Amino acid sequence: DTGVSQNPRHKITKRGQNVTFRCDPISEHNRLYWYRQTLGQGPEFLTYFQNEAQLEKSRLLSDRFSAERPKGSFSTLEIQRTEQGDSAMYLCASSPPGTYYGYTFGSGTRLTVV
Amino acid sequence: KQEVTQIPAALSVPEGENLVLNCSFTDSAIYNLQWFRQDPGKGLTSLLLIQSSQREQTSGRLNASLDKSSGRSTLYIAASQPGDSATYLCAVEETSGSRLTFGEGTQLTVNP
Repeated sequence: DTGVSQNPRHKITKRGQNVTFRCDPISEHNRLYWYRQTLGQGPEFLTYFQNEAQLEKSRLLSDRFSAERPKGSFSTLEIQRTEQGDSAMYLCASSPPGTYYGYTFGSGTRLTVV
Repeated sequence: KQEVTQIPAALSVPEGENLVLNCSFTDSAIYNLQWFRQDPGKGLTSLLLIQSSQREQTSGRLNASLDKSSGRSTLYIAASQPGDSATYLCAVEETSGSRLTFGEGTQLTVNP
């Protein structure tokens, strides 16, 4: 287990289709985060899990977005009825229990909605 | 609401130059500050983490400082190399385990 793994790396979808992304955090990390990054901007927070509990959701996470983390392991982020404005890099990060350890990010999933 | 600003937005320097990237944040009650590097189309690589009780951290040619009271951090890169070319992002964590608030980044180009 060498890092945070995200799949797929790239996804092209037609507007209106549903897409699902997966994130596998570092195994001993109990916290998992999803961020969205558009071109030229810093990442923006979407949602956060501690173990299997979703503790916080950004107002950016509209009703078309849903995230899960069954059994506190991997997480999925689903976007329903995709819109062109959903085109972005979706980044996953994890951090261990305790303090002062920082975050480890995955390589991201690049979504293009055409 | 915490806001993070990075200056400059872009920087181009010749190889070998020492340089400073700036990060400011509006709410000084932070828990940690973390500097990341991002190569084009890639994820984020953590460079340095400064705890709120610390003033600076060093790793190789990189040195990051933190002045909580003034809401500022700097990332110093010594003897820059073309391989340092990337976007550098600053992020603050307001409470333990909470979200990170990012700046928009500084795009650095080091010319051979």
